[in-house]
Amino acid sequence: GEDVEQSLFLSVREGDSSVINCTYTDSSSTYLYWYKQEPGAGLQLLTYIFSNMDMKQDQRLTVLLNKKDKHLSLRIADTQTGDSAIYFCAEVGRSWGKLQFGAGTQVVVTP
Amino acid sequence: ETGVTQSPTHLIKTRGQQVTLRCSSQSGHNTVSWYQQALGQGPQFIFQYYREEENGRGNFPPRFSGLQFPNYSSELNVNALELDDSALYLCASSGRTGPTGELFFGEGSRLTVL
Repeated sequence: GEDVEQSLFLSVREGDSSVINCTYTDSSSTYLYWYKQEPGAGLQLLTYIFSNMDMKQDQRLTVLLNKKDKHLSLRIADTQTGDSAIYFCAEVGRSWGKLQFGAGTQVVVTP
Repeated sequence: ETGVTQSPTHLIKTRGQQVTLRCSSQSGHNTVSWYQQALGQGPQFIFQYYREEENGRGNFPPRFSGLQFPNYSSELNVNALELDDSALYLCASSGRTGPTGELFFGEGSRLTVL
């Protein structure tokens, strides 16, 4: 069945780059997403990538997609304390609207 | 601001009771999806509505039901509440049922079942 996996925790120093990794199993994925969730809040759409793309850059965010290995990553340049949050990887395949989420990666930014 | 609003933000119920959660979609969005996020987990898809019809359902029992209204607002109803129904319930809206990329979430309704 469909599955999305992420590492659970990442600690990074302020000013460094963060890289959050995700693997998925659904070969029919059309879009892959990165969402950010701060404590007590909903999900904020950070960026998404269409499955026929290898890379997408949006200001400090860079998404890399290796479709062959079913691997997605999110790089945050110049990480700030405000980037501390839980980051969710998600994919959607044939059942549009049915996003399959990973368990989330907690990113802690230290001064 | 995503333009997706949910109410109530928090509520407490007891086992066996029924609950209704509401969602107002972003303007122009005719598709709404509901997700359940248990503590420490990623959101799980409950179902999706498009033009007032259910258009896909996840692995949730029939006591989870929904409605979508002509103005594209939506309700999630849960009957016979169980302790495990305690979670953050998220509503997401998008422009159409085909993959457009953008799917915006509300802030959620946090349900506690005692």
